Amino acid sequence: DTGVSQDPRHKITKRGQNVTFRCDPISEHNRLYWYRQTLGQGPEFLTYFQNEAQLEKSRLLSDRFSAERPKGSFSTLEIQRTEQGDSAMYLCASSLEFPGGTEAFFGQGTRLTVV
Amino acid sequence: AQKITQTQPGMFVQEKEAVTLDCTYDTSDPSYGLFWYKQPSSGEMIFLIYQGSYDQQNATEGRYSLNFQKARKSANLVISASQLGDSAMYFCAMREGGNTGGFKTIFGAGTRLFVKA
Repeated sequence: DTGVSQDPRHKITKRGQNVTFRCDPISEHNRLYWYRQTLGQGPEFLTYFQNEAQLEKSRLLSDRFSAERPKGSFSTLEIQRTEQGDSAMYLCASSLEFPGGTEAFFGQGTRLTVV
Repeated sequence: AQKITQTQPGMFVQEKEAVTLDCTYDTSDPSYGLFWYKQPSSGEMIFLIYQGSYDQQNATEGRYSLNFQKARKSANLVISASQLGDSAMYFCAMREGGNTGGFKTIFGAGTRLFVKA
């Protein structure tokens, strides 16, 4: 396990369909984050987990978005009834809990295109 | 509320020169960490450097240094001896320490750096 893995790398879907993305963090990392990034912008925070607990969820996340991390390892992000505005890069990151703070390691992202 | 501001949408620098990328932040949490990431055109986010709010000295990592001015709430990235491969988007980010309830990391809008040969 050499890094954060995201699957799929690309997803094209029709408006109204549901999509699910998977993230496998670095194995010893207990924190996992989901971000959304649109072209030319910085990553926007969506949600994060500490182990299996979802501790914070952004107001950006509508009821159509749900994330899980059932056993504190991999995580899934589901978008229901996709809209064209959901088209973006979805980034997953993981980090270790440490008093001094450690950097988050990012996956290569899942690029979603809603047509 | 947390906030990160990067006021330079784009910067040009001559190869082998030094460049400073600006970042200011706002938080009410006395414990926080500041990060810089590089995002080349390939899209991956690459961690560059970290500064903790209680660190007494400015962080350095090779050609990268962080000019941390706590009272001014600024955390500028200095890249020395720029190389063509430094051309990329650079993001400043902050993670609070949990005193205000959260550990999320938020990012600025980024600065695109162009290194000229």
